Amino acid sequence: ETGVTQTPRHLVMGMTNKKSLKCEQHLGHNAMYWYKQSAKKPLELMFVYNFKEQTENNSVPSRFSPECPNSSHLFLHLHTLQPEDSALYLCASSQEKAFNTEAFFGQGTRLTVV
Amino acid sequence: AQKVTQAQTEISVVEKEDVTLDCVYETRDTTYYLFWYKQPPSGELVFLIRRNSFDEQNEISGRYSWNFQKSTSSFNFTITASQVVDSAVYFCALSGSSGGGADGLTFGKGTHLIIQP
Repeated sequence: ETGVTQTPRHLVMGMTNKKSLKCEQHLGHNAMYWYKQSAKKPLELMFVYNFKEQTENNSVPSRFSPECPNSSHLFLHLHTLQPEDSALYLCASSQEKAFNTEAFFGQGTRLTVV
Repeated sequence: AQKVTQAQTEISVVEKEDVTLDCVYETRDTTYYLFWYKQPPSGELVFLIRRNSFDEQNEISGRYSWNFQKSTSSFNFTITASQVVDSAVYFCALSGSSGGGADGLTFGKGTHLIIQP
């Protein structure tokens, strides 16, 4: 138990659906992240939030839309996804958005786009 | 740009053997941190160790040990007397000062470690 909880754990959605991934951290951290983990590829950083403000968007397609209503919650809204978006989506948090702090990860949401 | 290379895609050993996972990194930063994470089948990445670029002292934690060599830009991870529970995917990661944390962690592709009973 890392203190970062993601729901749902598994999600199957059609290309025309709209769904949301949820992440909640109970660690009192101020920075939260979305990563994408595809087969045989390194984890890719998608979004970074620091004190609820989005600070980075690593050229992620607009069909992925993040939302951070407070420092403890992070959402990833999905719409009109493509089959190549199927992956494990990992949420992480850290004490602050600094290069020397370790991140704590949730168990991920396994997304399948059909 | 930062890069982490884990050349070993998969390693399979028999229980109780020692095993070393290799990690080579590239960065232009003089101040940076290196990390190892373990990803068991359940999915979450579990933090194992953090090492800063100015501390080349090797570290040992139980059956785990890490060898940081700046001269070869390597940060290798050794498991002594491996156990079946060590089976997982292990990731090496790098975070540099130039990004100020904005770049997050740069991960390698991971090494899938299989410990056979």
